[in-house]
Amino acid sequence: GAGVSQSPRYKVAKRGQDVALRCDPISGHVSLFWYQQALGQGPEFLTYFQNEAQLDKSGLPSDRFFAERPEGSVSTLKIQRTQQEDSAVYLCASSPWRAPTDTQYFGPGTRLTVL
Amino acid sequence: GENVEQHPSTLSVQEGDSAVIKCTYSDSASNYFPWYKQELGKRPQLIIDIRSNVGEKKDQRIAVTLNKTAKHFSLHITETQPEDSAVYFCAASNTGTASKLTFGTGTRLQVTL
Repeated sequence: GAGVSQSPRYKVAKRGQDVALRCDPISGHVSLFWYQQALGQGPEFLTYFQNEAQLDKSGLPSDRFFAERPEGSVSTLKIQRTQQEDSAVYLCASSPWRAPTDTQYFGPGTRLTVL
Repeated sequence: GENVEQHPSTLSVQEGDSAVIKCTYSDSASNYFPWYKQELGKRPQLIIDIRSNVGEKKDQRIAVTLNKTAKHFSLHITETQPEDSAVYFCAASNTGTASKLTFGTGTRLQVTL
């Protein structure tokens, strides 16, 4: 079946612009995660949804970052007033939820470059 | 919070040799330890995982061992092939509370002919 998809794959923004990144999880997956991966680093957790409820947003670096999943399926990560330090690959992952089926499946990521 | 350290950062082996990557974690409540392979510009792909109720798991040329007492786990790849060349990440999570993964910093494995 179809895996996790993300769009756009690449995004170039001028400093100060707002951006919106989309994630389409695997159909039926309850859990959805956003991670930020800086160049040469491992992914770092941003936020977590269980269905439409945002249960953990402890990893969001500032109040310029906002995520939503209004119908418990597609999710959008929004970054307001982008800064150069926001440049990274933003990865989305989905999971069926409970062990032993809680494996996280990753999307291809959106590479954000802020000029 | 959880902290995962990974070593080495780069590893070069000859085709056919074995490769070992080691990770340590800090939170004794962590109970799920996946390993992901990421090729350049591609998504991380799960290659094997282990839960805290077992000490070892094997899948063909890949094996993972877990020592809960010492809080470390390792990835073993035998009979390496050029297509094994990639960056490998270990991760840890506590699936009983938050399922977020805490990743190591990655190991770049280069398999040479």
